Amino acid sequence: AQSVAQPEDQVNVAEGNPLTVKCTYSVSGNPYLFWYVQYPNRGLQFLLKYITGDNLVKGSYGFEAEFNKSQTSFHLKKPSALVSDSALYFCAVRDAEDSNYQLIWGAGTKLIIKP
Amino acid sequence: DAMVIQNPRYQVTQFGKPVTLSCSQTLNHNVMYWYQQKSSQAPKLLFHYYDKDFNNEADTPDNFQSRRPNTSFCFLDIRSPGLGDAAMYLCATSRDPGVMAAFFGQGTRLTVV
Repeated sequence: AQSVAQPEDQVNVAEGNPLTVKCTYSVSGNPYLFWYVQYPNRGLQFLLKYITGDNLVKGSYGFEAEFNKSQTSFHLKKPSALVSDSALYFCAVRDAEDSNYQLIWGAGTKLIIKP
Repeated sequence: DAMVIQNPRYQVTQFGKPVTLSCSQTLNHNVMYWYQQKSSQAPKLLFHYYDKDFNNEADTPDNFQSRRPNTSFCFLDIRSPGLGDAAMYLCATSRDPGVMAAFFGQGTRLTVV
């Protein structure tokens, strides 16, 4: 069965420190992986995606994520956190062989950056 | 510049009174999606249109319907809203349903009284 796990409900990081938001996935075929961010009472904003190619993907607002096939992970990272990065982050995966194009979402991780 | 626009941002409706939420896009994307999101949970796909082809998720209640009169607009109709339908409703678009990321609107927060 296809699934996405975000093992941490909440991540707390001091401003200026590096941050990591974890995501692992399970699909039967090749994965297409996405990260979205949601600020309070707002829609989701696309951050970055991995489809193919370089395992390190750079996205919006200084975020990056590394696709690790052996660990089936796609962790979101940023070298230096800002208070404005505080938001809800969702990881999502699509199976490249899924003809229904179904997007599977993680439960979300609340990121809190403290000044 | 807003590319996916949802109206209204906040909607209050009475229990059982039909309500329509609207979504428009300036991206000329082929696919439009409607998601329901409760209490900062993961969004739940209700249905999507690929051009004029309507694709309903198996567990979407019959109470929820959708219309897409043209490429730019898509509507979510809730025929008889219940208290459990109070949620944030998110519209999204993508150029195709495969590898392209979806662009989301700001959402409509529905309250049922």
